[in-house]
Amino acid sequence: NAGVTQTPKFQVLKTGQSMTLQCAQDMNHNSMYWYRQDPGMGLRLIYYSASEGTTDKGEVPNGYNVSRLNKREFSLRLESAAPSQTSVYFCASRKIQNTEAFFGQGTRLTVV
Amino acid sequence: KQEVTQIPAALSVPEGENLVLNCSFTDSAIYNLQWFRQDPGKGLTSLLLIQSSQREQTSGRLNASLDKSSGRSTLYIAASQPGDSATYLCAVREGQGAQKLVFGQGTRLTINP
Repeated sequence: NAGVTQTPKFQVLKTGQSMTLQCAQDMNHNSMYWYRQDPGMGLRLIYYSASEGTTDKGEVPNGYNVSRLNKREFSLRLESAAPSQTSVYFCASRKIQNTEAFFGQGTRLTVV
Repeated sequence: KQEVTQIPAALSVPEGENLVLNCSFTDSAIYNLQWFRQDPGKGLTSLLLIQSSQREQTSGRLNASLDKSSGRSTLYIAASQPGDSATYLCAVREGQGAQKLVFGQGTRLTINP
């Protein structure tokens, strides 16, 4: 069972470069999420998609954009990377509101 | 603003002991609470989900309780094993319709053989 799959697993970017983090789930889940995890800050929600065709800002959306490509896929784009975006990024999904959230393995991003 | 606290930040116990991890939250108006496990450099693995109407959930050697009125949850691990070593995170979801999970900082657990 693949669950939630994130690519790439590791990435190093130079300041100002752009990139897209990919996330796909094969559990037919309706809602998908992007979190970042930083030491001392815990996990914080960047953007989410409650259902296919909708996206909304989370707690820390500045510097990011998202696309819900279809029900399976939810991508996170950094248009102009900054060192403050160095973090571990996690994608998650959930079937409906009162069910478990499942997380991917994470993408470790370093911006130099 | 909801805040979730996990104490202690780190815990080291010998193999075979039963142990309890604590999670507290400031706003009792939660929809559910979920416990996760995170191994170093890995993603989060869901352990247990407790709905706000429930008092506890069990899975194997794990038992999670929820006392919404006091803003507390505990994760009980029976007969601990070295393979249980990981960081344990709790997260609450506020109110129906809320999308965000609010996470605690986690408890880093080490089980010594």
